[in-house]
Amino acid sequence: DAKTTQPTSMDCAEGRAANLPCNHSTISGNEYVYWYRQIHSQGPQYIIHGLKNNETNEMASLIITEDRKSSTLILPHATLRDTAVYYCIANQAGTALIFGKGTTLSVSS
Amino acid sequence: GAGVSQSPSNKVTEKGKDVELRCDPISGHTALYWYRQSLGQGLEFLIYFQGNSAPDKSGLPSDRFSAERTGGSVSTLTIQRTQQEDSAVYLCASTGGPNTGELFFGEGSRLTVL
Repeated sequence: DAKTTQPTSMDCAEGRAANLPCNHSTISGNEYVYWYRQIHSQGPQYIIHGLKNNETNEMASLIITEDRKSSTLILPHATLRDTAVYYCIANQAGTALIFGKGTTLSVSS
Repeated sequence: GAGVSQSPSNKVTEKGKDVELRCDPISGHTALYWYRQSLGQGLEFLIYFQGNSAPDKSGLPSDRFSAERTGGSVSTLTIQRTQQEDSAVYLCASTGGPNTGELFFGEGSRLTVL
């Protein structure tokens, strides 16, 4: 699987949009981009995934650049409960999902 | 239950003892993962079972660690001759269907080796 690079930490004010970047410049054509988050003391939680097109669900939006070398996870109205470690993973179907160090997002009031 | 179930939720053992951790995946899920997470650290991949294929054991840290999945369902992770550095939360996840990257995690088994 392609390596992903994320900032170590980010801050966001409550109610504002949180935009979490991820670089995956070596991603191959059959690798999906997955986002997970882990709230303190809980197991990881799937958020969203995509291949080429932008995706949106009830939790977040995923914007993938046209060249697929980077993506951004958007939490449109961050709340204190969104404080967590966010993981971006490039994964080919049928292969093991490997988590990196992720981005620690701190949402403050 | 509807989710991934792990047992025991907490296990305290003495150095040198063997331990077994159990995972009941979501019914019908064909793939099963084991990860571990030491205090303040990220998720470390251990092993991945996918259907009837040979498991991906590339993450097992030493030959003291082994896992099996019986009948394509329940999985047991065994740690022999436990060491203090094995202390961690061991997380199991399963997935099935067309979106194989959407993992459903259990609550984890917290292992403390004294």
